[in-house]
Amino acid sequence: GIQVEQSPPDLILQEGANSTLRCNFSDSVNNLQWFHQNPWGQLINLFYIPSGTKQNGRLSATTVATERYSLLYISSSQTTDSGVYFCAAGGSNYKLTFGKGTLLTVNP
Amino acid sequence: GAVVSQHPSWVICKSGTSVKIECRSLDFQATTMFWYRQFPKQSLMLMATSNEGSKATYEQGVEKDKFLINHASLTLSTLTVTSAHPEDSSFYICSAMVGNTIYFGEGSWLTVV
Repeated sequence: GIQVEQSPPDLILQEGANSTLRCNFSDSVNNLQWFHQNPWGQLINLFYIPSGTKQNGRLSATTVATERYSLLYISSSQTTDSGVYFCAAGGSNYKLTFGKGTLLTVNP
Repeated sequence: GAVVSQHPSWVICKSGTSVKIECRSLDFQATTMFWYRQFPKQSLMLMATSNEGSKATYEQGVEKDKFLINHASLTLSTLTVTSAHPEDSSFYICSAMVGNTIYFGEGSWLTVV
């Protein structure tokens, strides 16, 4: 099956800083999504981005499918951005394989 | 966006008993739902794909007789953990797709004592 690797595993930022999270996947995918899991466990879909670039406010994501990686950019980070960011990839059957996540801590 | 609701959010049960977790799509119909399991500080592991009106498809290594999945309607899938043991304690999350976007329920924390 598809292997998904995320880096870095942990990231500590000062409020206002920018960051880039990376996701590498082992095979061609039809589905690539980024999620944020808050401290209470709720998972929120950030981007569906099997290729190309998307932006939503302070967040943006880019997937280079031919090189099998995706990047999530967080600009002007806020304490509410803290949590775990997961990348998940899948094929045509909609089953997603999740990476191990990046634990982001934004300090005031 | 679409809303997926899980119930209960927290459940504590005694070892050897069974517990049922419900996953509902509140404002859309979901022919397919997915059940995941997450251990503390770990990633999500897909347990099974729940298909409305048919048997669930379980991932390798998941005991189908222990984790019973029923998807009897287009808005409800249930996961029953049978004869629960402390090692079954975990965070269970369901999801459903709308188009290409996946929406997750709030998750259910199961503690078996």
